[in-house]
Amino acid sequence: SAVISQKPSRDICQRGTSLTIQCQVDSQVTMMFWYRQQPGQSLTLIATANQGSEATYESGFVIDKFPISRPNLTFSTLTVSNMSPEDSSIYLCSVERTSGGRAKNIQYFGAGTRLSVL
Amino acid sequence: AQKITQTQPGMFVQEKEAVTLDCTYDTSDQSYGLFWYKQPSSGEMIFLIYQGSYDEQNATEGRYSLNFQKARKSANLVISASQLGDSAMYFCAMREAPNDYKLSFGAGTTVTVRA
Repeated sequence: SAVISQKPSRDICQRGTSLTIQCQVDSQVTMMFWYRQQPGQSLTLIATANQGSEATYESGFVIDKFPISRPNLTFSTLTVSNMSPEDSSIYLCSVERTSGGRAKNIQYFGAGTRLSVL
Repeated sequence: AQKITQTQPGMFVQEKEAVTLDCTYDTSDQSYGLFWYKQPSSGEMIFLIYQGSYDEQNATEGRYSLNFQKARKSANLVISASQLGDSAMYFCAMREAPNDYKLSFGAGTTVTVRA
């Protein structure tokens, strides 16, 4: 598995402000992923963060709204910019690890950041 | 089109009994992987079990087993001997190609274990 530390665990923010979420992994990984889970919904991939290159964003997500940094192989940040109440969600980072036994590449998740925007 | 379908929004199960969570998937790839994750109320996503499309045997991990029926495109999760700590949301997910990192998630099923 992987030890993934995500900060903050929760926050309440005012609309129009920005929040930066940090994700720290216990060992080097090539790709890190950021997901959003809106209330009562499933997970949606926001972007993939590779070290040394710009993040790759999924359809419906743009860099201006969700800038991502990946300064090294164990750390990434996601910023939720100019927040509105619609951004209230759980944001999760994940990393991929090759697991032993039958499984190949497994994505392991951090504990998530619960964001409420007033 | 929905790639992963979980038709049971919520289920109740008695402690110590088994429960089956349904998952059907849609893909034209021959090589793919199926995953189940557990999300307690705390919000973290916990990996439970994996089934590869070429795996001939159904996956098992402790009290979790995956009933894989390839022709029907179903990958149901069976939790045996349910415990109160099993109360959570359960998500089925699919990775469509060996080198494609992207996971597609189903809508999830909430399981409540009753004492």
